[in-house]
Amino acid sequence: KNEVEQSPQNLTAQEGEFITINCSYSVGISALHWLQQHPGGGIVSLFMLSSGKKKHGRLIATINIQEKHSSLHITASHPRDSAVYICAVLTSGSRLTFGEGTQLTVNP
Amino acid sequence: GAGVSQSPSNKVTEKGKDVELRCDPISGHTALYWYRQSLGQGLEFLIYFQGNSAPDKSGLPSDRFSAERTGGSVSTLTIQRTQQEDSAVYLCASSLELVQGGEKLFFGSGTQLSVL
Repeated sequence: KNEVEQSPQNLTAQEGEFITINCSYSVGISALHWLQQHPGGGIVSLFMLSSGKKKHGRLIATINIQEKHSSLHITASHPRDSAVYICAVLTSGSRLTFGEGTQLTVNP
Repeated sequence: GAGVSQSPSNKVTEKGKDVELRCDPISGHTALYWYRQSLGQGLEFLIYFQGNSAPDKSGLPSDRFSAERTGGSVSTLTIQRTQQEDSAVYLCASSLELVQGGEKLFFGSGTQLSVL
């Protein structure tokens, strides 16, 4: 079993839909990162969370440390949101352990 | 520079040859990380640097892999006697300080390594 599990693996949505991507982890962490990887490979760091909730534009990330679970929400989704979304947890030192990623496709 | 720069962007090599991959972090970033993404796989940690030292090398898959960082800036990842299973995208990231301090990571565009 991977230390970091994401669901769903693939998600297709219509433009405007509310999207949720989930991340569960089985180890103690000091922080959790959400990353976005566009076709062509470029990776952008979206959020770093250690507790609570963060919002940036149409993106919202939450984390529940007790339940070892985080969610990434996208409101009013748009085709340009199509990308792979990756959850990564900081377990020891500065080592990140990554989930397998969620491929999101938003159709117009 | 404006962002994390990696070179080459693509590298095709023959099995058994040595390759060097280069990473130029954002100026002033003390922490530098190397990751690998094999086809259809998730990201895999390789090594990180704090300044010029590498406190955690445990992610390097074999002793054919080595990395160094000089002057607290440029880093090179060297793979000796490349094997086909080394084929992957090698990603470099940097942060102002170590991510354990809550720092945001900035990624390069990666080097696509293909070992024939």
